[in-house]
Amino acid sequence: EAGVAQSPRYKIIEKRQSVAFWCNPISGHATLYWYQQILGQGPKLLIQFQNNGVVDDSQLPKDRFSAERLKGVDSTLKIQPAKLEDSAVYLCASSLVKGRNEQFFGPGTRLTVL
Amino acid sequence: AQKVTQAQTEISVVEKEDVTLDCVYETRDTTYYLFWYKQPPSGELVFLIRRNSFDEQNEISGRYSWNFQKSTSSFNFTITASQVVDSAVYFCALIMIQGAQKLVFGQGTRLTINP
Repeated sequence: EAGVAQSPRYKIIEKRQSVAFWCNPISGHATLYWYQQILGQGPKLLIQFQNNGVVDDSQLPKDRFSAERLKGVDSTLKIQPAKLEDSAVYLCASSLVKGRNEQFFGPGTRLTVL
Repeated sequence: AQKVTQAQTEISVVEKEDVTLDCVYETRDTTYYLFWYKQPPSGELVFLIRRNSFDEQNEISGRYSWNFQKSTSSFNFTITASQVVDSAVYFCALIMIQGAQKLVFGQGTRLTINP
């Protein structure tokens, strides 16, 4: 069974530029998550989708971050414009359903904002 | 609000030693789940274990064991006879079943096993 796929693996941009990350969850997983992991910290949830609806985006900086999950499968996370403090690893995860089920994580995208 | 604390930022031991990673959590709910994840240098978080709040039985899986104590709100992880391949960052996490069902991670413990 294929795991969670993410691309690109690395991205370097200048501040104020835009960037987009892509995630393809495990087939059949209804719930998809985007996390931000700053160096030396644990992952922090940015947004959670159940199928193609948003369940929780309370920690998403909506003035610059946006995410969508069209057709309830793969998802895109965008940052526009990027700030220096957005430098982090962006992790995508999926689970069968929300709640107690374990989440399966992708390899992440390491973003560096210069 | 829920919170997970991993007080040990870094631990370094020699191979074959036993090592325990501490995890203390805070929640007002009575129904919740606790997790441990491993993050090797490749970056991908690997699920290790899930435990629900009503099951305080300790669990052993090979060289790994977990000790869950509700009385002290702790969910500690022990690696017996550590190996170099155990070197990674380990995260403890908590999710409440009521409300937003958001997985909250501790800050992680970087474990280095030296040959």
